[in-house]
Amino acid sequence: EVQLVQSGAEVKKPGESLKISCKGSGYSFTSYWIGWVRQMPGKGLEWMGIIYPGDSDTRYSPSFQGQVTISADKSISTAYLQWSSLKASDTAMYYCARHVAVAGSVDPWGQGTLVTVSS
Amino acid sequence: DVVMTQSPLSLPVTLGQPASISCRSSQSLVYSDGNTYLNWFQQRPGQSPRRLIYKVSNRDSGVPDRFSGSGSGTDFTLKISRVEAEDVGVYYCMQGTHWLWTFGQGTKVEIK
Repeated sequence: EVQLVQSGAEVKKPGESLKISCKGSGYSFTSYWIGWVRQMPGKGLEWMGIIYPGDSDTRYSPSFQGQVTISADKSISTAYLQWSSLKASDTAMYYCARHVAVAGSVDPWGQGTLVTVSS
Repeated sequence: DVVMTQSPLSLPVTLGQPASISCRSSQSLVYSDGNTYLNWFQQRPGQSPRRLIYKVSNRDSGVPDRFSGSGSGTDFTLKISRVEAEDVGVYYCMQGTHWLWTFGQGTKVEIK
């Protein structure tokens, strides 16, 4: 079974750093793009960026370029989303999802990681 | 970026009645390979999104056949033939043709 399992919920203060993870299993991790999606409280879905773990090729949404870093460690089939200095406005649910090129789609999705940034 | 516009944004439906959601894109979603990468996702309350439909009309395994997708070019529709209680949630269209992929605003389906 193809699965993406994300790290647990985080509570942080403004200015702190954070790295959340997304571990893939049941497929060849290096052969599929992994994307990150933000969902702010009560809002819709926004693409943040994608990474190809095979060669770490990464593309960012202009809205998130410079605000986050996406990376991957193919030796442990894990993708990451990282902040160097969190803001209260980063409070959101973050999902990872596997891109399936032949379908031009994403499936499956991880269970989500809730990030709360509050002083 | 390709803008995806859904309507309506809220859809109260009587159990057993049909429902229809429209999704329009600001440019054609036909890719250079001839495929149209338009997807539909369901997000039930408190859950991750789940794909229902890919490439306009292909239903995912395990998705009830009361869900169907149609359309072409820039105009797409998701139909539920008879709404059931488990269909409550928010439905999103998403284009996978042009990077940056983009979602519609979401349509909230609720029971009247």
